[in-house]
Amino acid sequence: SQQGEEDPQALSIQEGENATMNCSYKTSINNLQWYRQNSGRGLVHLILIRSNEREKHSGRLRVTLDTSKKSSSLLITASRAADTASYFCATALIQGAQKLVFGQGTRLTINP
Amino acid sequence: EPEVTQTPSHQVTQMGQEVILRCVPISNHLYFYWYRQILGQKVEFLVSFYNNEISEKSEIFDDQFSVERPDGSNFTLKIRSTKLEDSAMYFCASTVWRELGNTIYFGEGSWLTVV
Repeated sequence: SQQGEEDPQALSIQEGENATMNCSYKTSINNLQWYRQNSGRGLVHLILIRSNEREKHSGRLRVTLDTSKKSSSLLITASRAADTASYFCATALIQGAQKLVFGQGTRLTINP
Repeated sequence: EPEVTQTPSHQVTQMGQEVILRCVPISNHLYFYWYRQILGQKVEFLVSFYNNEISEKSEIFDDQFSVERPDGSNFTLKIRSTKLEDSAMYFCASTVWRELGNTIYFGEGSWLTVV
């Protein structure tokens, strides 16, 4: 079954450092979306990257997609305490309506 | 920025009771979803809804669940006879169009506790 799996499950870094989270999936996708979730809150959309794209940037965020390896990475540069949250990748299949399949998430902690 | 809004934010209900979770999708969006997240687990797809009918539903979305768009703005999820295992955060989401490649926006969620 298609599945997004994030790696690592938990990451703790110092403020100002860069944070890299990885996501792997199993089947061909149309697009991959990254979301942030603060504890007990909603899912905030960060970036959508389509299968024909290799890299996208949004502010301090950089997302890459390697469809040959079925993997994506999310890089947060110059991390801040406010970036502390769980980060999820979600994949949308090629066919059918756009239903997202979420990974387990990476719990990111930024230490001041 | 437009938002998906959900009510209630938290509801506690007795097992066997009916629950209705409400959502107001972003105004120009046409495609709607419900997802759920059991504490500590993945976000799971429940159902998608377009043109006043269900487009797709997961195995989780059994006969105790139903969705409707009663008035052209609200989108509701009804759980007919709640079970303990229905305790979860329920997220409503919407997107502009059903075509692939559109951002899906999520609400803040409704936390349901079944006791």
